[in-house]
Amino acid sequence: EPEVTQTPSHQVTQMGQEVILRCVPISNHLYFYWYRQILGQKVEFLVSFYNNEISEKSEIFDDQFSVERPDGSNFTLKIRSTKLEDSAMYFCASSRDRGYEQFFGPGTRLTVL
Amino acid sequence: DAKTTQPPSMDCAEGRAANLPCNHSTISGNEYVYWYRQIHSQGPQYIIHGLKNNETNEMASLIITEDRKSSTLILPHATLRDTAVYYCIVRVYDRDDKIIFGKGTRLHILP
Repeated sequence: EPEVTQTPSHQVTQMGQEVILRCVPISNHLYFYWYRQILGQKVEFLVSFYNNEISEKSEIFDDQFSVERPDGSNFTLKIRSTKLEDSAMYFCASSRDRGYEQFFGPGTRLTVL
Repeated sequence: DAKTTQPPSMDCAEGRAANLPCNHSTISGNEYVYWYRQIHSQGPQYIIHGLKNNETNEMASLIITEDRKSSTLILPHATLRDTAVYYCIVRVYDRDDKIIFGKGTRLHILP
């Protein structure tokens, strides 16, 4: 059964450093998403991406964040200058089309020191 | 904000049916009811969705009341691996991009 994969599973970085989180969505899916979950809190939507552009983003997704689909398989989330409060689990998801069920990856745990 | 109300936690004995309720009294005519779950520290997992008819798949059954103001997710024979947080979500199929997660119901399966 096809699944969403994410790398790395755990990323530790120093405050102010740039990080790139990587995701490989399910191959025939068209919509891609990033969510995050701070420890003990709700899963929060960050951004959705379709046809090589952002279709929707939340207030969390400020200028420090960017997304990219650099090739036909990868989908990345970049945080330019990490802050302590960026420490969280980051989940990638994909769906066959807009509004369809979303399939989530296992997550990347980001720890900012 | 999430448009659903769920109990914060529930217990169920292993092997019994787990019935998880959800209230969505302000649901619109074109909004579907979706259920996801999140096993500890893993990514959310899609379970099932429906509009007004009852739905069943290999994981669960979804019962939606006739007025669509509430629904119940049924796990017919709960196992320890079903211990998770279960999220009831309403969204428009074929339109709504993001999923808005609430706090969900933490289901404990007791051996």
